[in-house]
Amino acid sequence: DIHMTQSPSSLSASVGDRVTITCRASQDITNYLAWYQQKPGKVPKLLIYAASTLQSGVPSRFSGSGSGPDFTLTISSLQPEDVATYYCQKYNSAPYTFGQGTKLEIK
Amino acid sequence: EVQLVESGGVGVQPGGSLRLSCEATGFTFDDYAMHWVRQAPGKGLEWVSLITWDGGSTYYADSVKGRFTISRDNSKNSLYLQMNSLRAEDTALYYCAKDGDSSSSLVYWGQGTLVTVSS
Repeated sequence: DIHMTQSPSSLSASVGDRVTITCRASQDITNYLAWYQQKPGKVPKLLIYAASTLQSGVPSRFSGSGSGPDFTLTISSLQPEDVATYYCQKYNSAPYTFGQGTKLEIK
Repeated sequence: EVQLVESGGVGVQPGGSLRLSCEATGFTFDDYAMHWVRQAPGKGLEWVSLITWDGGSTYYADSVKGRFTISRDNSKNSLYLQMNSLRAEDTALYYCAKDGDSSSSLVYWGQGTLVTVSS
């Protein structure tokens, strides 16, 4: 099975900073990758699918890139409401594995 | 409006069984594959299982294979997860989620139902 590795596991940044989270698949998954945001006590929310397509209603400061094994989620200007844990997920074939998550905090 | 409502989560002893249900409204249920995803307390998301629109194919995480069975009743717009031989490590909030329109990313999630496995 394909393993998904996110880095870093946690990070702290200031409001207005550019933030990048990385997700690496152990095998090529072309662009079958999604990013989710989960705020404390809340249901996960889809941010990006197909590696770079922004889900409707998601602020444009979020963007995704990459293909094959390496992907990134970028927040262009961090806002206080972006405090959350972020997960990548592969969906090219089952099992639809999630990364271990990246916890983002405000400095 | 898409709504997914899970039920059936309770406390159960190790080795026990439980069936979770997910009632779906607001979309044509038998047009979509459906998933179960779980989250242990304070931990990350773990994909558990997938069933195709017609129930013809099912897939499982290795951690539950042989113990859990996903099924659906399209006449009742309902998804199920039969959980047998439960272990302490199965303790989690179990979400059902709907496959996407143009991808298998998960746009719609239920609020989850809590399963606690403890003696």
